Amino acid sequence: DAKTTQPPSMDCAEGRAANLPCNHSTISGNEYVYWYRQIHSQGPQYIIHGLKNNETNEMASLIITEDRKSSTLILPHATLRDTAVYYCIVRVESGATNKLIFGTGTLLAVQP
Amino acid sequence: DTEVTQTPKHLVMGMTNKKSLKCEQHMGHRAMYWYKQKAKKPPELMFVYSYEKLSINESVPSRFSPECPNSSLLNLHLHALQPEDSALYLCASSQSLGTGQPQHFGDGTRLSIL
Repeated sequence: DAKTTQPPSMDCAEGRAANLPCNHSTISGNEYVYWYRQIHSQGPQYIIHGLKNNETNEMASLIITEDRKSSTLILPHATLRDTAVYYCIVRVESGATNKLIFGTGTLLAVQP
Repeated sequence: DTEVTQTPKHLVMGMTNKKSLKCEQHMGHRAMYWYKQKAKKPPELMFVYSYEKLSINESVPSRFSPECPNSSLLNLHLHALQPEDSALYLCASSQSLGTGQPQHFGDGTRLSIL
């Protein structure tokens, strides 16, 4: 699986958009980008995933650059409950394996 | 609220004890996983089960013994653990391997070895 690079921490004001970057410069053509988050004392929570196209769901938007070497997770209106560690993971979709290899993630602190 | 239920939430055991962690899901998922998470570190994969058969063992010591008695249940049997095994143990499930379906996690069992 490709390695990812994320900033260790970020701050965001409550009600503003949070933009979390991720670099995955060694990503290959069949590797998906997944985002999970882990709120303190809870298990990781799936947010969104994509391959080439931008994706949006009720939680967030995922913007993937055209060369697929980086992506940005956007939380459109951050709340205090969005304070968590956000993990960007690239993973091969294969019947043989379904391994998530977590990096160190970004600790997002939403400030009141 | 999580759809993957792990019990117990907390466990303290001595190095000579035998205990088991339990994970249950009723989403019809056929792939289930155990992860280990040390404090302030990301989760690390331990085992993967697919259709009740062990698919991946990430070179985990034999003092950890997984079991998948049916498609809804996953156990992790513990014996002769070491203090460094103290961690949060997370269970996850997905529809199957490699279908593009995300993994759903429980909130974990926090294990302390005395």
